[in-house]
Amino acid sequence: GQQVMQIPQYQHVQEGEDFTTYCNSSTTLSNIQWYKQRPGGHPVFLIQLVKSGEVKKQKRLTFQFGEAKKNSSLHITATQTTDVGTYFCAVAGGTSYGKLTFGQGTILTVHP
Amino acid sequence: DTEVTQTPKHLVMGMTNKKSLKCEQHMGHRAMYWYKQKAKKPPELMFVYSYEKLSINESVPSRFSPECPNSSLLNLHLHALQPEDSALYLCASSLIPGLAGVTQYFGPGTRLTVT
Repeated sequence: GQQVMQIPQYQHVQEGEDFTTYCNSSTTLSNIQWYKQRPGGHPVFLIQLVKSGEVKKQKRLTFQFGEAKKNSSLHITATQTTDVGTYFCAVAGGTSYGKLTFGQGTILTVHP
Repeated sequence: DTEVTQTPKHLVMGMTNKKSLKCEQHMGHRAMYWYKQKAKKPPELMFVYSYEKLSINESVPSRFSPECPNSSLLNLHLHALQPEDSALYLCASSLIPGLAGVTQYFGPGTRLTVT
């Protein structure tokens, strides 16, 4: 099945600093999704990328899908304390429709 | 309504108990999922139902028994669990998935402790 490696595992930033998490695969991905899980909460869908080189923005969040569709990144500009949580990339589909395989996640801590 | 509900929120059970987790959605989704999540780990897929039929079982031990009585409901029956089964159990739903994938909507989860 499709697998993704996500780095870093942890990231501590001061409020106002930028943050980036990366997902990498050894194989070409058909799509990649990003989820956020607040402490004590459940994963919440943020976005899906499907096109090579795709860039999407949601306010301070910028999502990119690599040209070779083997990597993706989530960048947060000027972090706020509300950005605290774990950010997961996830790959859906492949030969097992419905199977969503998550990266290990990046736990973001924002110090005020 | 983009909500998936799960009951109970917390469950403590002994290794000889039988209990059930329940999940409900009214978004008209025809795919429903069970995930298991340990602390500081990603969710791990357990089961997928498509059109009320089990389509994926990720080699889950038989002490976990899923059931999809209708398109809105998903149950997970638990029997003879082990302490290592303690985790957050997440239910999710989506439109029927295809190769490109679809958004999955997660419920708040049931935090299970096996004593």
